Parts: sequence; structure tokens; C-alpha cells
Amino acid sequence: QSALTQPASVSGSPGQSITISCTGTSSDFGSYNLVSWYQQHPGKAPKLMIYEGSKRPSGVSNRFSGSKSGNTASLTISGLQAEDEADYYCCSYAGSSTFVVFGGGTKLTVL
Amino acid sequence: QVQLVESGGGVVQSGRSLRLSCAASGFTFRSYGMHWVRQAPGKGLEWVALIWYDGSNKYYADSVKGRFTISRDNSKNTLYLQMNSLRAEDTAVYYCATEHPTGTLESWGHGTLVTVSS
Repeated sequence: QSALTQPASVSGSPGQSITISCTGTSSDFGSYNLVSWYQQHPGKAPKLMIYEGSKRPSGVSNRFSGSKSGNTASLTISGLQAEDEADYYCCSYAGSSTFVVFGGGTKLTVL
Repeated sequence: QVQLVESGGGVVQSGRSLRLSCAASGFTFRSYGMHWVRQAPGKGLEWVALIWYDGSNKYYADSVKGRFTISRDNSKNTLYLQMNSLRAEDTAVYYCATEHPTGTLESWGHGTLVTVSS
């Protein structure tokens, strides 16, 4: 079970936009678009931000958006705010044997 | 609202066993698949196991297969993780989470820390 590949860190200034990539193999993603993204602040539990590739749960800011092209999923955060500084993890449904695989995580720093 | 409260963590010697619990409230527990996910100190998230809403199917990460067992008691709204033959590399915060929709971990507990000492 290989982890999905994310950049270790990204940074941006308040008000800017950033994109975090999440790359896997065709077996990681399958033929589905069941990619989800999680935000985790230090010492806290992860929080669902995006599911099924591009859907936002109720209460999540529309500054967060998701997309997928081929074997790469992306999370874009627009209008960066200080409170967006956190770790972000992608996750994909990978079929009935592996079921779920996570990315290694990306630390977002708001400069 | 959805509440998931993990318990049962602690310090245990290598080779011993531990059982984690996750008490659920605020939603219809028997209708949801449930996951365990762990996070070693300073590391990323690692999926551990999933059990279907009715307990009929269970899935495990290769790293725990044969040592860990996921189960649930829908009459008690509680999820379990029986961890046997513990190793130092099992040291982590263990989270339970709801599965909805497929492959999505919708709601998370706050986690319970398991430390395996040698």
C-alpha cells in the first residue's frame, strides 16, 4: 500500500492562492473520483475539507476547492488566511483490498 | 451533533495487547461504516482498518493485518480495535472516524495515544 505523494511544504502570503498536489498511481485512485482532503492543526484531529474530489462539506469555506486530472488531485486555497496554516492530507478510496490510502501530508505556512 | 470519543490508550510493553474503544453519539451509528486511523508522533496519517455498518466486512492495512481486529457493537454504539502483538512502531495516536460517503472519513474523534515500550 503506497502512500499518495504530496509536497512536504507549501507557503503563501495572506490573500494569495496556493495549490497542493496529490499524485498516485492508477491503482491508488482507481476509476473513481473518491479523493478527500483533510486539514489538521497541531494537536487537533483532522477535519474533512473536500470529498469526492471537489465537494465541500457544510460549513467549509468556499475558499477551499478540489479537482482531479488523471492521477493527480489538487487542493486549492484562495484568499489565504492565517488560520489556514495547518497540515493538509489527501486521501483516496483505492478499491476493496486496500480500501483507503493517505498522502504523506503537506505543511502549509502562511507568511 | 456527531461525537466520537476514543478511550483505552496507554503505555504497554512490546508484545502485549490493548483494546481501544470509540463511543459514538449524535448519529445513527448502526448505519455507518467506521474507520481507525493512526498517527505516529510527528508523522502523517495512516489508515488502519474499516468495518462496514453491520460488521459484515472488515478491511485492514498490511501493517496490522493478522495482529489487529476491528469490531463493533451496534447495541452499545461502540467501535473497538483489539491490538495484539504490539510493536514499537504501533506507537501513535489512534483516531476513529465515520465513513460517509465511500472512502471519505467524515467525522473524527480526538484520538487516544498508544505508546508501546520495549
